[in-house]
Amino acid sequence: QKEVEQNSGPLSVPEGAIASLNCTYSDRVSQSFFWYRQYSGKSPELIMSIYSNGDKEDGRFTAQLNKASQYVSLLIRDSQPSDSATYLCAVNAYGNKLVFGAGTILRVKS
Amino acid sequence: NAGVTQTPKFRILKIGQSMTLQCAQDMNHNYMYWYRQDPGMGLKLIYYSVGAGITDKGEVPNGYNVSRSTTEDFPLRLELAAPSQTSVYFCASSSLSQGANNEQFFGPGTRLTVL
Repeated sequence: QKEVEQNSGPLSVPEGAIASLNCTYSDRVSQSFFWYRQYSGKSPELIMSIYSNGDKEDGRFTAQLNKASQYVSLLIRDSQPSDSATYLCAVNAYGNKLVFGAGTILRVKS
Repeated sequence: NAGVTQTPKFRILKIGQSMTLQCAQDMNHNYMYWYRQDPGMGLKLIYYSVGAGITDKGEVPNGYNVSRSTTEDFPLRLELAAPSQTSVYFCASSSLSQGANNEQFFGPGTRLTVL
């Protein structure tokens, strides 16, 4: 069973702080890793993808991947109340199918 | 482009009833997917399709059926609805994979309650 694990949270951070979201996965052959943001009552939207070990930055978001440790993380700098949402980690193990984690609830307090 | 559209937005079914959830995309994507999301849980893959006429089971296919007669449409059929099928259903699509970078685009979801 391919699994993706996330801390359910909620993770509470003050406005302007760095939010750090973590994800581990069980299938060593996984090649592609995605972070989706889901606002309450809405559908998931892709915010970051990463395929190689190391960091990938896009604006206030940085995705970090360590395949040896089977670990992927998302950092959100200068967190804003509008970042409050559930963040879903997804892993592409084979073909074009994704396995999703249960998500981490992030709350940014102003 | 409308992207991925789903109908209906909400539906209440009685136990044993059947219904079809509609999904359509106008992005000419080959891949389409059906997920369900239970409260506080991630997305579970029900069925997926890699092109017209080709479908396959995902992680939780029992109680559902799909068909893919066109590239655009991917309806999900619930036969003999059960309370365990109360969930939010998302349809998604993506283009033919040419590598690792393949974003899935999601529809707005259908909230189904079975009583």
